[in-house]
Amino acid sequence: GAVVSQHPSWVICKSGTSVKIECRSLDFQATTMFWYRQFPKQSLMLMATSNEGSKATYEQGVEKDKFLINHASLTLSTLTVTSAHPEDSSFYICSALWSGGDTQYFGPGTRLTVL
Amino acid sequence: SQQGEEDPQALSIQEGENATMNCSYKTSINNLQWYRQNSGRGLVHLILIRSNEREKHSGRLRVTLDTSKKSSSLLITASRAADTASYFCATVLFTGANSKLTFGKGITLSVRP
Repeated sequence: GAVVSQHPSWVICKSGTSVKIECRSLDFQATTMFWYRQFPKQSLMLMATSNEGSKATYEQGVEKDKFLINHASLTLSTLTVTSAHPEDSSFYICSALWSGGDTQYFGPGTRLTVL
Repeated sequence: SQQGEEDPQALSIQEGENATMNCSYKTSINNLQWYRQNSGRGLVHLILIRSNEREKHSGRLRVTLDTSKKSSSLLITASRAADTASYFCATVLFTGANSKLTFGKGITLSVRP
């Protein structure tokens, strides 16, 4: 149980385009989802926390207009990187938490490469 | 800012040996969790230890927590080549409606067959 999927697993795009990444909890309802980014050989940095049906809470230094997060249902959250630039190239990982739970379950990650 | 700091940063051992990884943190916590990440993959939750617990076991894993020293250790016994991965500790402090994980920098474990 507690499986989280991400789609796509990797994406290559041109600079200036927008990319949408989906995060789904497959066998549980996730009231809260988290988005992280990870640069090579570094740790995970929390970008934002999203609760179903409400606006995401962004961490300091993360541009909310650039990284659009939508958590429209209890099983789906999306992250859209708008007007992507090469410096946005990274590994993006989501996690999901069910109501009352204390363990985040992570997706397999999406590798974004912006040319 | 990152909360957890693991040491060593890299560890190389022979299959069958035990691997001990340490994590220190700076502020109060509600619980501390250890995760494993294989190269280019997502994170796998290994074990959670609450602030009122001192030791937990799960299979070949043993985790200790010393809140007075703000440190935790992860012991993997009888290591296997498949244990080769990066290991992260992450602390949780409940704030309002959400609990956030704050990750350390990670330890790269290599188990030689």
